[in-house]
Amino acid sequence: DTGVSQNPRHKITKRGQNVTFRCDPISEHNRLYWYRQTLGQGPEFLTYFQNEAQLEKSRLLSDRFSAERPKGSFSTLEIQRTEQGDSAMYLCASSPDLQPQHFGDGTRLSIL
Amino acid sequence: QQPVQSPQAVILREGEDAVINCSSSKALYSVHWYRQKHGEAPIFLMILLKGGEQKGHDKISASFNEKKQQSSLYLTASQLSYSGTYFCGAINTGNQFYFGTGTSLTVIP
Repeated sequence: DTGVSQNPRHKITKRGQNVTFRCDPISEHNRLYWYRQTLGQGPEFLTYFQNEAQLEKSRLLSDRFSAERPKGSFSTLEIQRTEQGDSAMYLCASSPDLQPQHFGDGTRLSIL
Repeated sequence: QQPVQSPQAVILREGEDAVINCSSSKALYSVHWYRQKHGEAPIFLMILLKGGEQKGHDKISASFNEKKQQSSLYLTASQLSYSGTYFCGAINTGNQFYFGTGTSLTVIP
């Protein structure tokens, strides 16, 4: 069990650029979650996958955000045309069904 | 839809006890508790799946009152390592996982 891995750890980009983050969950976990967390706030749910199916998306997830989990293993979260308000920590978590979620260390996104 | 936690913040001396409450306006089907230290990812503490369930390990325990849509986390004989922000979390009918508003707990010597 190597834990949930997220890459990159930090991303600095100019407003308007596209960014993509990757999450490698714990291998036997079929559920994968994406959250966004800003300073002083709790994690906000963005979306989750059961295997390769994206089952729920938050209304927070605008059209500029898209997530995939093509083979039911790793997942990517892409943000197009980044805006200042996208600056946050993006957390990925995985779990076996409705069990405890194991979080990665997150990707910190800074928009210049 | 976000569960509301109380208190927002608490400061304890080592060895003191604390209770953190989590209350939802929507039905709770299960409750998770996590602790997050500054700059780190949330760490799972425990999950309660049924109303009336109580769980605990070490000196941290929790209860879940499904009828009242509430859960409480109990920390006894607090240690310095308990400092952090505690979040409850729950899945709503739409299968979205919501973290609570958070409780900052600081244990001082």
